[in-house]
Amino acid sequence: DVKVTQSSRYLVKRTGEKVFLECVQDMDHENMFWYRQDPGLGLRLIYFSYDVKMKEKGDIPEGYSVSREKKERFSLILESASTNQTSMYLCASSLLGYGYGYTFGSGTRLTVV
Amino acid sequence: GESVGLHLPTLSVQEGDNSIINCAYSNSASDYFIWYKQESGKGPQFIIDIRSNMDKRQGQRVTVLLNKTVKHLSLQIAATQPGDSAVYFCAENIGNAGNMLTFGGGTRLMVKP
Repeated sequence: DVKVTQSSRYLVKRTGEKVFLECVQDMDHENMFWYRQDPGLGLRLIYFSYDVKMKEKGDIPEGYSVSREKKERFSLILESASTNQTSMYLCASSLLGYGYGYTFGSGTRLTVV
Repeated sequence: GESVGLHLPTLSVQEGDNSIINCAYSNSASDYFIWYKQESGKGPQFIIDIRSNMDKRQGQRVTVLLNKTVKHLSLQIAATQPGDSAVYFCAENIGNAGNMLTFGGGTRLMVKP
């Protein structure tokens, strides 16, 4: 069964900490995405990557960075966590090109205190 | 469980009835559409997709209808079951090479026993 695996289901971090959210996919997908999901705001794209070492800003990149050193792994980094980054974070992957759905991970619920 | 969206439109149906969830899209250039289901505390799961050269596509207990004239997409669930309770999102692809999906805000389906 193909999968997108997010390393943690729940995380609690302190304000100012550097936080790493890890995502691994086993489908050899070129595209990988990070979204955050908040009540009333839907899915908002933070960053995406279409190839190793490539990254593109999404709609809300401020306060985040990403790393894609290997095709299967896409990491989201909160350089200095803040309480307004408390959210559900969803990783997804897809094939490159047009007309492919995304496969999502189960999500990481991050709480910054 | 975690609430995906506190201000989502909600559809409440009786178990065994058919459900119809609607989605309006705004970009006439969109030509690939997907429905996702998201259960509480989980990531979105692919349900069914449709390309713009089709008006209707059927899966197991689900049917997607596409009306390009009025830019409307619907998901029909036959014989709705308690396990169908979830938030349902539509997504559209505007046909760029990077396979970027735009997600709707979602509809919460509640199934009454």
